[in-house]
Amino acid sequence: QQQVKQSPQSLIVQKGGISIINCAYENTAFDYFPWYQQFPGKGPALLIAIRPDVSEKKEGRFTISFNKSAKQFSLHIMDSQPGDSATYFCAANDDKIIFGKGTRLHILP
Amino acid sequence: DTGVSQDPRHKITKRGQNVTFRCDPISEHNRLYWYRQTLGQGPEFLTYFQNEAQLEKSRLLSDRFSAERPKGSFSTLEIQRTEQGDSAMYLCASSLIQGGAEAFFGQGTRLTVV
Repeated sequence: QQQVKQSPQSLIVQKGGISIINCAYENTAFDYFPWYQQFPGKGPALLIAIRPDVSEKKEGRFTISFNKSAKQFSLHIMDSQPGDSATYFCAANDDKIIFGKGTRLHILP
Repeated sequence: DTGVSQDPRHKITKRGQNVTFRCDPISEHNRLYWYRQTLGQGPEFLTYFQNEAQLEKSRLLSDRFSAERPKGSFSTLEIQRTEQGDSAMYLCASSLIQGGAEAFFGQGTRLTVV
């Protein structure tokens, strides 16, 4: 049931750099693409989300780029900070949320 | 606190025992989801409810698992005859009925089967 494929598994970025996480999906029925952030011992928290009729969405330092024809989307974290160190999940929704396997992001101070 | 609440936060049980977890969703949310998450993996869908109706169950949900949402409010997830492979974090989430509505997750119940 690997409907959402996420890469890389882990990522190390220098403070102030750009973190980029990529995802690809298969099911064209998906109509909502959220990104979740999870800290150890906590439940996932919605970070930002996009619908397939939009190619880009920006909220503060976080941007989703969406390519409907390629069935790919990505999360960019600008000016990455140590507090951004967490696990990030891309996901896709068709009544239920299907998660990718996650990317462990570590921002070096 | 009006977030999603799960109880207990941690549960250690012996193999073969039955366990039950509870989830209290955000009060006006009519959808409730259960997920399982193992270390280093993304949450895996188990089942979801729309009000009191259970609309979908994953193939991951063996016959030892049962979930209920009797009055369309709180939900319970029961695991019978627990196995060591059931050790995981069990997450509950809730949302409004519209497709794409934001799903809010609880803190999860960490189950350890010894």
